[in-house]
Order: sequence, then C-alpha cells, then structure tokens
Amino acid sequence: AQSVTQPDIHITVSEGASLELRCNYSYGATPYLFWYVQSPGQGLQLLLKYFSGDTLVQGIKGFEAEFKRSQSSFNLRKPSVHWSDAAEYFCAVAPYNNNDMRFGAGTRLTVKP
Amino acid sequence: DAGVTQSPTHLIKTRGQQVTLRCSPKSGHDTVSWYQQALGQGPQFIFQYYEEEERQRGNFPDRFSGHQFPNYSSELNVNALLLGDSALYLCASTFGQGEGETQYFGPGTRLLVL
Repeated sequence: AQSVTQPDIHITVSEGASLELRCNYSYGATPYLFWYVQSPGQGLQLLLKYFSGDTLVQGIKGFEAEFKRSQSSFNLRKPSVHWSDAAEYFCAVAPYNNNDMRFGAGTRLTVKP
Repeated sequence: DAGVTQSPTHLIKTRGQQVTLRCSPKSGHDTVSWYQQALGQGPQFIFQYYEEEERQRGNFPDRFSGHQFPNYSSELNVNALLLGDSALYLCASTFGQGEGETQYFGPGTRLLVL
C-alpha cells in the first residue's frame, strides 16, 4: 500500500534562511509525487509535482524538490525563506495523476523575523 | 474565472443525522475528488467522480456517497453521522488525468458533529 511519511511535525526557521522539508514514501513503482501548501483558512495549493524525467523539479514561489529513488524520498527545499512562507506543507503520493492521492500528516513551518 | 467553490462553509450536525456538501469545479474541469481532513492531519482521499461515475474510492465506509451532475458539480453525502466525521471536507477538481493537468482545491466545508 502506498503511504507518505513527513518526519517533522513542526519546523522553525529564520527569515532568509534555507529550508528543507523531508518526505519519504512507500510505493511499489515510481508514483506521482506532489508538494502542497495550505495557509490558514485556505485550500491546498500545488507547489510542484514529479512523475518522470529530471529528478530535480522546480515549482512556484521559489520552491524545488528532488526525487531520490534509492532513498524513496522527495524533499522540498527553498534557498531563502520569506515570512509569507509560514504555512502547513503536505507531501502526497498517487498511482495516477491527481487520483487516489495519499497525503502525509504535514509539516508546519514557522518563520522567525 | 472562479476557482473551486464549496458550500456551505461551516455546518453543525448531531450524531445520526445526514449531511450533504456541495462542490462546483473550476471552469473547464470535468473530474471532482473529495477529501476528508481531520484536525492536525493530512487530507484523506474519499472518492473521485468522472463522467458522473465514481472512478476511484478510498478506504471509507458506504455511509459516504457521492454524485456528479451533468454540469460536473458534485455532492458528498454522509449518512448516520458519527462524532469522528467532524473534519474539513475538501473538494478538488481537474481536467482528466493528463500528466500536465493540475488539481485545484476548494477552501473546504468544516463539519462539526455533536
């Protein structure tokens, strides 16, 4: 069965510092992988996704993620965090694009001034 | 261009009652998925509708049912409500399953079961 683990429940970084959010997945084949962001009172917004090709994926808002098959990981990174990045971040895996998606429990990001 | 809209925004029900939540997909989208997000958890996939048929279903009991109308809007029905059904219910829409397509989420309906 497919599953997603986000080991960090809560992360605090200073504004301007770099960020890495961890995501590990369990799936028999190469799945579709996603990162979403959820701000308070807002719906989920897609940051980026991977399904094939270049393992380094660029997304919106300056985010990128790297797919590492050997480690079953899909970590999200940003070189310099802005205060507006404070939100909940979810990693997700799916056997098909946009169908039967399984989400991790999320990582809450706090940004210190 | 309106995105995904959901109604109502909030709802309070008592145990044993039935509830219907509604979703209008983003313009041009024909596929609707429903998710349940309990407090402090990630969303859980309930089911997906395409061409008025349930195409895929997650691990939810038959108390959870849905419908998709010819205009692609959708309803989620939950019967015999339990306290554990209290959650944020998210609707998401997309156009087909092409690899280039993006799924858009609505703001959700927050259901409280007392």
